Amino acid sequence: DAGITQSPRHKVTETGTPVTLRCHQTENHRYMYWYRQDPGHGLRLIHYSYGVKDTDKGEVSDGYSVSRSKTEDFLLTLESATSSQTSVYFCAISGGTSASKTHEQYFGPGTRLTVT
Amino acid sequence: KNQVEQSPQSLIILEGKNCTLQCNYTVSPFSNLRWYKQDTGRGPVSLTIMTFSENTKSNGRYTATLDADTKQSSLHITASQLSDSASYICVVTRGGADGLTFGKGTHLIIQP
Repeated sequence: DAGITQSPRHKVTETGTPVTLRCHQTENHRYMYWYRQDPGHGLRLIHYSYGVKDTDKGEVSDGYSVSRSKTEDFLLTLESATSSQTSVYFCAISGGTSASKTHEQYFGPGTRLTVT
Repeated sequence: KNQVEQSPQSLIILEGKNCTLQCNYTVSPFSNLRWYKQDTGRGPVSLTIMTFSENTKSNGRYTATLDADTKQSSLHITASQLSDSASYICVVTRGGADGLTFGKGTHLIIQP
């Protein structure tokens, strides 16, 4: 998985509790992304980062926040988890934006989150 | 609205047979088109990336084609193997870090 790890890999939590997912890369890539994958939907972008402390919102950012204090780590936080946030979350990295075909996105193994 | 539609949703074929997966898109402007393979419980892995000027791209037994005029792409798998069982995702990019539009994928099952 191209030097990308996600933790935890599985988590069950209760509605209303805060949850933080971690993505760690060893590739020194500039861009990092958080996606969610749900049945009946394609992967949807939550937030992305284009450098340390530089982040921006994606298509489905409501209810999520992110932080990137080091190149290698990108954290996704659910401030108060809801059942609609039950999903599989994927982290991805790339050396540049999608405009260039040379900048592939590499995906992590995913985190399965269940909110009860 | 930028959309990527894939067909069929699911497909079952016998080992050794060929198959073709389809992708139609309405994404604009167009930067490049990607096919990913996603094994169950794993993250997607890139198979091919094509710009508008590339009509075909191969990666082993996988061959992707692109018709930028009709906004269609296909992924052809030759001599299928059990390990080809996976979801295949078509992704069209507009450019920019947030410019990827993902299809819902085709779930392919190879039976012995």
